[in-house]
Amino acid sequence: DVQLVESGGGLVQPGGSLRLSCVGSGFSFRDYAMNWVRQAPGKGLEWVSGVSGSDDSVYYADSVKGRFTISRDISKNTLYLQMNSLRADDSALYYCAKDQFPGTPKPFFFHDWGQGTLVTVSS
Amino acid sequence: DIQMTQSPSSLSASVGDVVTITCRASQDIDNYLVWFQQKPGKAPKSLIYGASTLQNGVPSKFRGSRSGTVFTLTISSLRPEDSATYYCQQYNSHPLTFGGGTKVEI
Repeated sequence: DVQLVESGGGLVQPGGSLRLSCVGSGFSFRDYAMNWVRQAPGKGLEWVSGVSGSDDSVYYADSVKGRFTISRDISKNTLYLQMNSLRADDSALYYCAKDQFPGTPKPFFFHDWGQGTLVTVSS
Repeated sequence: DIQMTQSPSSLSASVGDVVTITCRASQDIDNYLVWFQQKPGKAPKSLIYGASTLQNGVPSKFRGSRSGTVFTLTISSLRPEDSATYYCQQYNSHPLTFGGGTKVEI
């Protein structure tokens, strides 16, 4: 079975940094596009960033471009999200999500999700 | 960026009813649309992709359709376990974008 386990969330002051991690198992990690999707408390879903399942191209939402960096370590089956210059409106539950089909040139849509890791940006 | 406008934002229905949720794209996205169901405290679950293709294991009471840039999720024979928030998401182009969600109360 596919498993995605996020970690790294917590309380951080505005302007601070955090690095989220997501360890995947039960599938060929290198073959799938992987994503971060967030959900502020009581709000809707927002795609944050993704990495291609074929050539490691990366993609970002406008709201995080220039502040967040997505990466992955195939040898560790781990997806990362480095978050810098954090703002109060970045506070959310951050989900790691795996694309449904392998080898897609860009992230498309998400079939498997982790349980999420909570990020709170507050002074 | 492609905007996804979902309506209604909430609805209340009874057991056995048929409900319809609509998602309008700000431009042509072909059939590159997925519907998710999210229950409180849980991660979303994909129901339909490609606008109308049912995911394995999802009951046929869920149906997706498209007319131009307007997409519809129809849920028939409503049951209490269908209470959830439903989201659409386009994957025609980046950035990927979601609709605002429809909370369905039974």
